[in-house]
Amino acid sequence: SQQGEEDPQALSIQEGENATMNCSYKTSINNLQWYRQNSGRGLVHLILIRSNEREKHSGRLRVTLDTSKKSSSLLITASRAADTASYFCATDENGGFKTIFGAGTRLFVKA
Amino acid sequence: DGGITQSPKYLFRKEGQNVTLSCEQNLNHDAMYWYRQDPGQGLRLIYYSQIVNDFQKGDIAEGYSVSREKKESFPLTVTSAQKNPTAFYLCASSMKSGAVTDTQYFGPGTRLTVL
Repeated sequence: SQQGEEDPQALSIQEGENATMNCSYKTSINNLQWYRQNSGRGLVHLILIRSNEREKHSGRLRVTLDTSKKSSSLLITASRAADTASYFCATDENGGFKTIFGAGTRLFVKA
Repeated sequence: DGGITQSPKYLFRKEGQNVTLSCEQNLNHDAMYWYRQDPGQGLRLIYYSQIVNDFQKGDIAEGYSVSREKKESFPLTVTSAQKNPTAFYLCASSMKSGAVTDTQYFGPGTRLTVL
């Protein structure tokens, strides 16, 4: 089973609305990262949050981390059509070498 | 896609053939990774290398092989033993594997189709 599981699997919103994606994981972690993937392309790193942090901002992105619930959320404010992509959370399972990716949330922003 | 390149972009293979996917980085990163992505799915780790001349199996290494003779290069060979090789293959690198704040930088991917 996957370490990181995103919810929802797919999300469709209007331009200007906010988009919220959630990620749950199973083991202890040192950090959690969010990546973005445009269709047929490689992944691009968006933001990293450490296990001792609760919230982090980067431009229109806001990430929260609740280690007691083993969950994280990614909020994209004032979405744009160009935000249409798949978003993945990734964790270091038990603080190990490997980065474990979830199955992703597919976001579609309608212009 | 940063300083990491993959070639070719599209690759077609006949059953029973071995094919090699290229991955090169000019980021001076120690660690490199190969992932497989199936439609609508996340990434699964095939092999990773933390340093030159060393590599480890990931979660789905069967039917694949790699080499790491140079820091810049980490080619992946998909052998005839891989029963279902049609997928999107992504190569990534990071400054140092095992570091707590290790961000991975991805190439543009190679889409392999078995005919």
